[in-house]
Amino acid sequence: GAGVSQSPSNKVTEKGKDVELRCDPISGHTALYWYRQSLGQGLEFLIYFQGNSAPDKSGLPSDRFSAERTGGSVSTLTIQRTQQEDSAVYLCASSTSGSSYNEQFFGPGTRLTVL
Amino acid sequence: DAKTTQPTSMDCAEGRAANLPCNHSTISGNEYVYWYRQIHSQGPQYIIHGLKNNETNEMASLIITEDRKSSTLILPHATLRDTAVYYCIVRSYGGSQGNLIFGKGTKLSVKP
Repeated sequence: GAGVSQSPSNKVTEKGKDVELRCDPISGHTALYWYRQSLGQGLEFLIYFQGNSAPDKSGLPSDRFSAERTGGSVSTLTIQRTQQEDSAVYLCASSTSGSSYNEQFFGPGTRLTVL
Repeated sequence: DAKTTQPTSMDCAEGRAANLPCNHSTISGNEYVYWYRQIHSQGPQYIIHGLKNNETNEMASLIITEDRKSSTLILPHATLRDTAVYYCIVRSYGGSQGNLIFGKGTKLSVKP
């Protein structure tokens, strides 16, 4: 079956522009996570959705970052007024529920480059 | 969630067993040990998890010490495609949150 998909796979933008990153989770998965991975760094948690609500936004690095999820499915991560330090691979994962024992399935990521 | 310690890098000869250690000395009774790996330019992939008993699946085996303070992931016959960064993660069982906390992991290089 289809896995987690993300688009675009690569995004190059200029400093100060807004960007939107999309995640299509596995059908039926109620939990959705956004992570980012900067060059040479480990993965950093950003936000968690259970259904359409986000009970934990604690990983978002600033108020320039926001995310939404509609219909319990697709999620969009928006970065406003991008900065060079936002350059990273943004990864989305989904699981059957938010319970911590459930396997998370990751997408291929979106590589964001801010010039 | 408990902190884990892993070697930065390891090498393994193709066809041989790869044994990746992980220390989690502060693990508590309701915490599981999970392993994920990340092949270059891909998203992480779940491998295996366990509580206190040894576990085996089609990908790997997980050996957890009796005191649960350390564990070893075993890839029985490593191939070049197993070259990746391997993450050992300790997570509370049954919580309603579930986000993964990744450390630096071990970069495993399988050599011909």
